[in-house]
Amino acid sequence: DTAVSQTPKYLVTQMGNDKSIKCEQNLGHDTMYWYKQDSKKFLKIMFSYNNKELIINETVPNRFSPKSPDKAHLNLHINSLELGDSAVYFCASSQERWGGPVNTQYFGPGTRLTVL
Amino acid sequence: GQNIDQPTEMTATEGAIVQINCTYQTSGFNGLFWYQQHAGEAPTFLSYNVLDGLEEKGRFSSFLSRSKGYSYLLLKELQMKDSASYLCAVRAPGYSTLTFGKGTMLLVSP
Repeated sequence: DTAVSQTPKYLVTQMGNDKSIKCEQNLGHDTMYWYKQDSKKFLKIMFSYNNKELIINETVPNRFSPKSPDKAHLNLHINSLELGDSAVYFCASSQERWGGPVNTQYFGPGTRLTVL
Repeated sequence: GQNIDQPTEMTATEGAIVQINCTYQTSGFNGLFWYQQHAGEAPTFLSYNVLDGLEEKGRFSSFLSRSKGYSYLLLKELQMKDSASYLCAVRAPGYSTLTFGKGTMLLVSP
């Protein structure tokens, strides 16, 4: 199936631990994103990568480190997890061109992170 | 910066029509998106407007007025499965991401 996929779907961990979330898209898109959706359902951009290069970093603590090994993958590593990191993290992708038409973002199923 | 406003909750009955409004103030504008998000699921694309006017897609239509910084999503012949959160999102020019509103939770009752 063509889609944006994320693993794991659920992640429960203790404060202070380090964890990673993986994202893959097989839509052939060149841009990928990480969003955080908090308990009030507010969806906020964290990072954006275009062709493996970071183009947007929205004031996210440096405990969060995205990595894009190739343009189909964007992983998110989180160090020293805190209670406030509990949220649903969504990966998304789109086909973008500088100055070109705006294209739709397609979202993965989300990873629900619970920090105890 | 971007500021996007939409009502927090709305209720409607099956078969009815509902209009969800979105107002925005932005430093630049390159289109407005509407997404639907069912509880526990990913947002899914509904519509996109970049020029003024109405875009119709089956039971769903979206309207944009750039001069007023205003959009609405119109849902006709409501079905129970339309109960979801509806997210308005604005995109600025250039390489940029979407800025989402806080979403409108729509509850459709029998």
